[in-house]
Amino acid sequence: QKEVEQNSGPLSVPEGAIASLNCTYSDRVSQSFFWYRQYSGKSPELIMSIYSNGDKEDGRFTAQLNKASQYVSLLIRDSQPSDSATYLCAVNSDYKLSFGAGTTVTVRA
Amino acid sequence: GAVVSQHPSWVICKSGTSVKIECRSLDFQATTMFWYRQFPKQSLMLMATSNEGSKATYEQGVEKDKFLINHASLTLSTLTVTSAHPEDSSFYICSASATGGAWTEAFFGQGTRLTVV
Repeated sequence: QKEVEQNSGPLSVPEGAIASLNCTYSDRVSQSFFWYRQYSGKSPELIMSIYSNGDKEDGRFTAQLNKASQYVSLLIRDSQPSDSATYLCAVNSDYKLSFGAGTTVTVRA
Repeated sequence: GAVVSQHPSWVICKSGTSVKIECRSLDFQATTMFWYRQFPKQSLMLMATSNEGSKATYEQGVEKDKFLINHASLTLSTLTVTSAHPEDSSFYICSASATGGAWTEAFFGQGTRLTVV
């Protein structure tokens, strides 16, 4: 599988703050990128997909993609305790998803 | 998003027995299904990719004779862990996509927690 790198965290943010998650990938020809949220003991849930350079906003989530730098990020605005989870960055290469190790986010009340 | 159902959600089996896990796409036809394994505190590791009507493609290091994958229809893929051993205990997750193309999102089943005793 191609390499996808994330900071493992944990990332602790106060309620209402912005959580910023970063991801880099090794395959230059990757075309589609995803952020999944995984609660402990559960399977991943798709929260964002992004295919073009720039920003994509969906509610409190904003994904940013920079293909030249091979970098994709996720911002969570107005963080809530329910956002506490592990966030997995996934990159589609050769019609398969490669996952990062995930960043654990803890939102403290 | 699309719904992928995985069954069972958990299973305990004795060492040496086989376990079958089912993955169904409920509201779309899945030309491609993926099987992952996840150990505690680790990320998902792709085990194999299955396309309907053809043999699965296994990732390096995954024993195809131990992890049997069948994708007989566009809505069902099965993973059979044969002669299970305690080291096979893990969280197994399937995902399905409609076309398998670069732009297609993949949706996950609920996962199956396998414990081999």
